[in-house]
Amino acid sequence: DTEVTQTPKHLVMGMTNKKSLKCEQHMGHRAMYWYKQKAKKPPELMFVYSYEKLSINESVPSRFSPECPNSSLLNLHLHALQPEDSALYLCASSQLGQGGSPLHFGNGTRLTVT
Amino acid sequence: GEDVEQSLFLSVREGDSSVINCTYTDSSSTYLYWYKQEPGAGLQLLTYIFSNMDMKQDQRLTVLLNKKDKHLSLRIADTQTGDSAIYFCAETLRTALIFGKGTTLSVSS
Repeated sequence: DTEVTQTPKHLVMGMTNKKSLKCEQHMGHRAMYWYKQKAKKPPELMFVYSYEKLSINESVPSRFSPECPNSSLLNLHLHALQPEDSALYLCASSQLGQGGSPLHFGNGTRLTVT
Repeated sequence: GEDVEQSLFLSVREGDSSVINCTYTDSSSTYLYWYKQEPGAGLQLLTYIFSNMDMKQDQRLTVLLNKKDKHLSLRIADTQTGDSAIYFCAETLRTALIFGKGTTLSVSS
């Protein structure tokens, strides 16, 4: 079982909808990540939060809005998405400040934009 | 820039050894990682190696690192059908990871 929990597992939304993806970890990790993964492709980094502050935004369109309410939670707010945004969205966390801090991934939210 | 290359497919028979190869470009990477992804699932950390090491063994998994050639390999001994998955190597990029394209391992019985 993964220690990073993502909800919902599946989400279908229209292009005019507003929805949110949620991610939670209780490992005491202080870095949290959003990755996007299209079918048969590697995960692509979207955002990184370090100590609840946004530290990396990989030029992601503003229709994706991340939020880190506290050290255990990470949200991704979605608005006015396009069909090409359909993908598996993966959340991950890691322990900052230590060498060899691997990322621990959740099972993802499979998003379909219609 | 950073780039991680992997061969796309590997097919082996059950009981054989599998060797998945990876090359990376960022010589400043201090840790290199192997992840496994089964269909419909997230990424599972398999193992990782510090760049001053040549080899790391963990049960059926052996990681070899040739830092001079920037070549990383993952050997799976006694490959089982449950090992069928996509295997990603990854290197550090700032505080995140950048992944190779993934190698699809197919194990036939």
